[in-house]
Amino acid sequence: QKEVEQNSGPLSVPEGAIASLNCTYSDRGSQSFFWYRQYSGKSPELIMSIYSNGDKEDGRFTAQLNKASQYVSLLIRDSQPSDSATYLCAALPVNFNKFYFGSGTKLNVKP
Amino acid sequence: DTAVSQTPKYLVTQMGNDKSIKCEQNLGHDTMYWYKQDSKKFLKIMFSYNNKELIINETVPNRFSPKSPDKAHLNLHINSLELGDSAVYFCASSPREGTEAFFGQGTRLTVV
Repeated sequence: QKEVEQNSGPLSVPEGAIASLNCTYSDRGSQSFFWYRQYSGKSPELIMSIYSNGDKEDGRFTAQLNKASQYVSLLIRDSQPSDSATYLCAALPVNFNKFYFGSGTKLNVKP
Repeated sequence: DTAVSQTPKYLVTQMGNDKSIKCEQNLGHDTMYWYKQDSKKFLKIMFSYNNKELIINETVPNRFSPKSPDKAHLNLHINSLELGDSAVYFCASSPREGTEAFFGQGTRLTVV
């Protein structure tokens, strides 16, 4: 079992819609969670970090964390074609200095 | 510019050669990493250093040897390159252990 699981997609949404990306993790000791965006041929870019149960909003992005269900999600409101990329979920266990990454979900936003 | 920078961006080499990838961060971060991203885009940790000290060494062939001359630099030397080493290698840094990581632009290694 992989430590972090994501649906590889592709997830296709029309421009202006809400894109919902999901991630589950296996290590209950994970304390910190991150969403990265990776355009083709580019490096991962940090979008959001979340540490506590609940929602965290930053502009059009909302990260949601449910530690009881071991579930992290990212909502992108008013999706734009420029949001088309692969989104990587990462978990960081406490006292461990290595990130576990999911294999990423490819998002296509159609104009 | 403040960033994590790695060189070279592209590296094409023959099997059996030895090559190095350099990484530098001017963010003042304590922790640096090497990650490998395979053709399926899966990012896997190789090494992690905190204040020049090796703290994580995943199951990586000993042909791969990291070296951190100081807190701002983490280089990766690879001996006897194999076809299976072809991948994108990312250097990253974090302000301290347990915090978000920032990635360099990557080095696409192709072994022929």
